[in-house]
Amino acid sequence: SAVISQKPSRDICQRGTSLTIQCQVDSQVTMMFWYRQQPGQSLTLIATANQGSEATYESGFVIDKFPISRPNLTFSTLTVSNMSPEDSSIYLCSVGYQGVSTEAFFGQGTRLTVV
Amino acid sequence: ILNVEQSPQSLHVQEGDSTNFTCSFPSSNFYALHWYRWETAKSPEALFVMTLNGDEKKKGRISATLNTKEGYSYLYIKGSQPEDSATYLCAFPSVNNAGNMLTFGGGTRLMVKP
Repeated sequence: SAVISQKPSRDICQRGTSLTIQCQVDSQVTMMFWYRQQPGQSLTLIATANQGSEATYESGFVIDKFPISRPNLTFSTLTVSNMSPEDSSIYLCSVGYQGVSTEAFFGQGTRLTVV
Repeated sequence: ILNVEQSPQSLHVQEGDSTNFTCSFPSSNFYALHWYRWETAKSPEALFVMTLNGDEKKKGRISATLNTKEGYSYLYIKGSQPEDSATYLCAFPSVNNAGNMLTFGGGTRLMVKP
């Protein structure tokens, strides 16, 4: 199992600014993931944060907009850059272990409102 | 793109009512189905991970069934309590070395009135 501390829990930001979200895990994990839930939509995978290499982004998400850092096996950050109201969402980090029958663990989420 | 759907989107029930919701998923290339419970301002928590057709799992008043041939899973809550109010998510994991990369349904938001 894993306990994940995600910060901030919520923020209200001005359009055009950037916000960095942090996730700290209480144990070393290979895989960390970042998800987004826009209002009324499903949780959608943004990218896989790889330790020691660039993140792997899903279709529709790009590094310039969502830069990700993974400096070690217990920590990752997601930055939402040049924000617009469409970026208002819940952002969630997750850790997973190999094996589809193994549950995932999640941070508490960051509720972002862009005004 | 995997299509994972949940219904209903939201549900209001009275305390003591029993309820159920549905998750549908691709029936081909099935490996597992996850159910999570997500309370506001908290982390989603796993309820069940289901792998076998015909599986039925139970945790207290909550149970789930799985039909992989027709591509659906039901989640049942018996005697709903206000503390059951949450969003219930099903998720379909990918099969690669990336661990639990999940495709989620839209969730069912349950509100239990005292």
